[in-house]
Amino acid sequence: DGGITQSPKYLFRKEGQNVTLSCEQNLNHDAMYWYRQDPGQGLRLIYYSQIVNDFQKGDIAEGYSVSREKKESFPLTVTSAQKNPTAFYLCASRSVGGIPYGYTFGSGTRLTVV
Amino acid sequence: AQRVTQPEKLLSVFKGAPVELKCNYSYSGSPELFWYVQYSRQRLQLLLRHISRESIKGFTADLNKGETSFHLKKPFAQEEDSAMYYCALQQGGSEKLVFGKGTKLTVNP
Repeated sequence: DGGITQSPKYLFRKEGQNVTLSCEQNLNHDAMYWYRQDPGQGLRLIYYSQIVNDFQKGDIAEGYSVSREKKESFPLTVTSAQKNPTAFYLCASRSVGGIPYGYTFGSGTRLTVV
Repeated sequence: AQRVTQPEKLLSVFKGAPVELKCNYSYSGSPELFWYVQYSRQRLQLLLRHISRESIKGFTADLNKGETSFHLKKPFAQEEDSAMYYCALQQGGSEKLVFGKGTKLTVNP
């Protein structure tokens, strides 16, 4: 069953803690993305990666970090420097090149700071 | 900078009525435009893309470069069309997909 898996579905973080959100895909997609979804704000790009061991900042990268050691995996770390981390986080992937197909999205992780 | 504007946060129509969800964009080049939909408790999914000129679930969207618009239309709305709709733009040669803030469509019986 091909797709993108995000885990956990819900995550609670204490103030000052770093937390890591997992994103795994078995679609053999080259590019992977992290978006943050807030009510009334739409989706905003945090980081993206087109190939292994390379990634670029999106529009709201401050307070976040990523790694891309494997093609299938693109974990996102929400650091203590992120001032307002409570949000819904979406991971996506797509093939690069050729006809611009749409992105495939995961089911999301809801992060709450307690 | 590229931008996508969806002027309506909420849109409510009755079943069987026509529906149009507006999307305007600002980008000087040749954009690639998409509509994504998020049904309740489901993941965000691609509805249609302008390059395909397709009709999905009765929805169509035409790219109007003169008006920089990509409005989503359906002649007869169904209750199952109730969802959150996002318009998105991808700049040619870029990996970044820019989303609008979304329109919540409610189709009343």
